[in-house]
Amino acid sequence: GNSVTQMEGPVTLSEEAFLTINCTYTATGYPSLFWYVQYPGEGLQLLLKATKADDKGSNKGFEATYRKETTSFHLEKGSVQVSDSAVYFCALNYGGATNKLIFGTGTLLAVQP
Amino acid sequence: GAVVSQHPSRVICKSGTSVKIECRSLDFQATTMFWYRQFPKQSLMLMATSNEGSKATYEQGVEKDKFLINHASLTLSTLTVTSAHPEDSSFYICSALDRRNTGELFFGEGSRLTVL
Repeated sequence: GNSVTQMEGPVTLSEEAFLTINCTYTATGYPSLFWYVQYPGEGLQLLLKATKADDKGSNKGFEATYRKETTSFHLEKGSVQVSDSAVYFCALNYGGATNKLIFGTGTLLAVQP
Repeated sequence: GAVVSQHPSRVICKSGTSVKIECRSLDFQATTMFWYRQFPKQSLMLMATSNEGSKATYEQGVEKDKFLINHASLTLSTLTVTSAHPEDSSFYICSALDRRNTGELFFGEGSRLTVL
């Protein structure tokens, strides 16, 4: 079946460090892939997305590339800030509808000054 | 951006009582809302799809008589956990589909239910 696996947290980094949060998926067909972010006390927000193989989603300095050959959608940022501290969720949609999302377990990122 | 608000953010209740959680879209109309449940260190699991003016569609394994969903207006959906038991303790999250903006989903802050 369809599933999303992402690295367990917490991930603790110093400010300006490089960030990678791994995400791999299992899916039939060709899903769209998403990264959502949840800041403390807030709802999930769409961070970036990619709808087909080799697409790169980017936003706020974060990037992720849809790799069909490795079924991955790893999130990266070159230089994290304290304000990036949040929980990051990888997700995919199936069934041809953007509404039915399958989420990973979430990865807590803590950035220290 | 669009805002979705959930209330209450935390609720503690006794076993056997019913609890209602509200999900409101504050600045847009949402014909479709979704309810998720999240256990500690686990994924968000879709429970049901709530459509304004019609019955909710439940995912396999979700008891519709246990988790009553009402979507009476374009800005409000409610989830009622009936006869709650400790195993219903969880984090419940709603999202609303904004059809104005290419179908993007906006999420509420979540509601933590603890059943004693």
